[in-house]
Amino acid sequence: KAGVTQTPRYLIKTRGQQVTLSCSPISGHRSVSWYQQTPGQGLQFLFEYFSETQRNKGNFPGRFSGRQFSNSRSEMNVSTLELGDSALYLCASSLGTSTYEQYFGPGTRLTVT
Amino acid sequence: KNEVEQSPQNLTAQEGEFITINCSYSVGISALHWLQQHPGGGIVSLFMLSSGKKKHGRLIATINIQEKHSSLHITASHPRDSAVYICAALNEKLTFGTGTRLTIIP
Repeated sequence: KAGVTQTPRYLIKTRGQQVTLSCSPISGHRSVSWYQQTPGQGLQFLFEYFSETQRNKGNFPGRFSGRQFSNSRSEMNVSTLELGDSALYLCASSLGTSTYEQYFGPGTRLTVT
Repeated sequence: KNEVEQSPQNLTAQEGEFITINCSYSVGISALHWLQQHPGGGIVSLFMLSSGKKKHGRLIATINIQEKHSSLHITASHPRDSAVYICAALNEKLTFGTGTRLTIIP
């Protein structure tokens, strides 16, 4: 089975732009969670989607949003980028909700200049 | 105070040594995850446990729910075990510890 894939792997944007990141879960997995990792804050939970519905959301501003499609693929969007949004963005998929084991993708490294 | 605390932050050991990484949490949880992250960012889930002990190869994870404490042990450590190990407490969402950077010297 193919693992979790994320595109793009690397991205450079400038302040004020917006960005969309994509995550394709393992076939058969219905839950996708997104995480942000920075040197200062470590790993932080962004949101979780299950069957196209957002189940949970972390403490991030409204500039961070996401969605899940009927094939379980998920996208996250960050609008009005700030320098502090530079981070590694990871998604993870699981069979059910986050109470199941999660399988992580390789991440998208976003640099905001 | 972070909801999930790990110790030590950094650990350097000789090949073959027995390694212990500790994780304490202050929130109620339904499960605790141990993750491994190699340079480059890829994360692998090692264990998810809600009670007792789990073993996979040279890795052992234990959890004491009453004491809100978990440990990850590595027996016969090897340089390829060098990585950052992260514990994460699950309570509706994952809350992560700050990680332990482990370096095993040949």
